[in-house]
Amino acid sequence: EVQLVESGGGLVKPGRSLKLSCTGSGFTFGDYVMSWFRQAPGKGLEWVGFISSKAYGGTTEYAASVKGRFTISRDDSERIAYLQMNSLKTEDTGVYFCTRVDYDFWSAYYGPDAFDIWGQGTLVTVSS
Amino acid sequence: DIQMTQSPSSLSAFVGDRVTLTCRASQGIRNDLGWFQQKPGKAPRRLIYAASSLQSGVPSRFRGSGSGTEFTLTISSLQPEDFATYYCLQHNSYPYTFGQGTKLEIK
Repeated sequence: EVQLVESGGGLVKPGRSLKLSCTGSGFTFGDYVMSWFRQAPGKGLEWVGFISSKAYGGTTEYAASVKGRFTISRDDSERIAYLQMNSLKTEDTGVYFCTRVDYDFWSAYYGPDAFDIWGQGTLVTVSS
Repeated sequence: DIQMTQSPSSLSAFVGDRVTLTCRASQGIRNDLGWFQQKPGKAPRRLIYAASSLQSGVPSRFRGSGSGTEFTLTISSLQPEDFATYYCLQHNSYPYTFGQGTKLEIK
């Protein structure tokens, strides 16, 4: 079964750090872009960023709201994508989801697996 | 950034009704658009990809159409399990952006 499982959420004070994990199974993890999204309580969905596969250099892109504070990395041997969140703000509170994306950077083509599987999410609460 | 304008923001309908949700992009996005269903406390579920391709396992009453800047999701005959919030997502360019969502409620 193709599956993604997020972990690492919790309660953290403003200004502190937290690292989330997204573990994949049932597919060739290293072939996929891994992307993070989030959802503030009672609000809509927001893209956070992604990391490309090693074949495309492990390139990262981030939303403006997190750029410079959040870092996405990956360990393909463990099938884990990470979201390191530093200098956390109260507005970073929400459920964080990961998803996979099959994307060919050369042809700018998205395959049929893009955003098809999502983890259950992990709750991050930033509060003093 | 590409703005996605989703309408309506909420909709009340009966079981058996046909409903159409719309997403408009502020600039052309080819067919780089997906439709997602989300129920409270759950992860988004992809229904449609590449604007009009049906996700495996999703009932055929869901239909996506459009290209460029105008997209629609049509549910041909609402079932009780379809009452949820629906989002469109453009992934043509960074930052990826969602519509604000359509909350579909039982009348």
